[in-house]
Amino acid sequence: GAVVSQHPSRVICKSGTSVKIECRSLDFQATTMFWYRQFPKQSLMLMATSNEGSKATYEQGVEKDKFLINHASLTLSTLTVTSAHPEDSSFYICSATTGISNQPQHFGDGTRLSIL
Amino acid sequence: AQSVTQPDIHITVSEGASLELRCNYSYGATPYLFWYVQSPGQGLQLLLKYFSGDTLVQGIKGFEAEFKRSQSSFNLRKPSVHWSDAAEYFCAGWIQGAQKLVFGQGTRLTINP
Repeated sequence: GAVVSQHPSRVICKSGTSVKIECRSLDFQATTMFWYRQFPKQSLMLMATSNEGSKATYEQGVEKDKFLINHASLTLSTLTVTSAHPEDSSFYICSATTGISNQPQHFGDGTRLSIL
Repeated sequence: AQSVTQPDIHITVSEGASLELRCNYSYGATPYLFWYVQSPGQGLQLLLKYFSGDTLVQGIKGFEAEFKRSQSSFNLRKPSVHWSDAAEYFCAGWIQGAQKLVFGQGTRLTINP
């Protein structure tokens, strides 16, 4: 089946640091990738939709200058949390799809980000 | 507004018992519907999906779901649960116009030995 690799799985860093999270589709071309944030015991909240070769579309309330998304190839998207602060601590999950609307999204294993 | 609702936040069943997790959707047209499972600290794994056609869909790990248009429901079922089924379950619907997946609140499943 379709495999999505997300790296790193866990990050602990100091406040003010920028953190980059990678999302790779290993065995298919991901025209579209999605970035989600999940708070403890809550559902997934869509942050942004990323289409290869174009600017990401951010959901309302998500700071695009804070959460930089790059989707430079059909197999890789990155999320950079710039100047991270403790309130940015969360579980971040990416997903990838071929872009055809009825195709399911395939999810990475998530990244646990802890800002001290 | 288009939405997906999971009425049960937490369900506990005994190992070997049957399971039904509820999901209701609110859409103008027939949605694309999915069930995902999430183990602690992990990403989401697709259990099954419904696009059209046969309203009873089979998934992995012995799960099935039935689409009922009259009830706007897409409930997940399993005839006999195993301890390894303990996890968080999410129902989701694809919104065609917005081109995004909308998730329900999730149902946490606990299995009693």
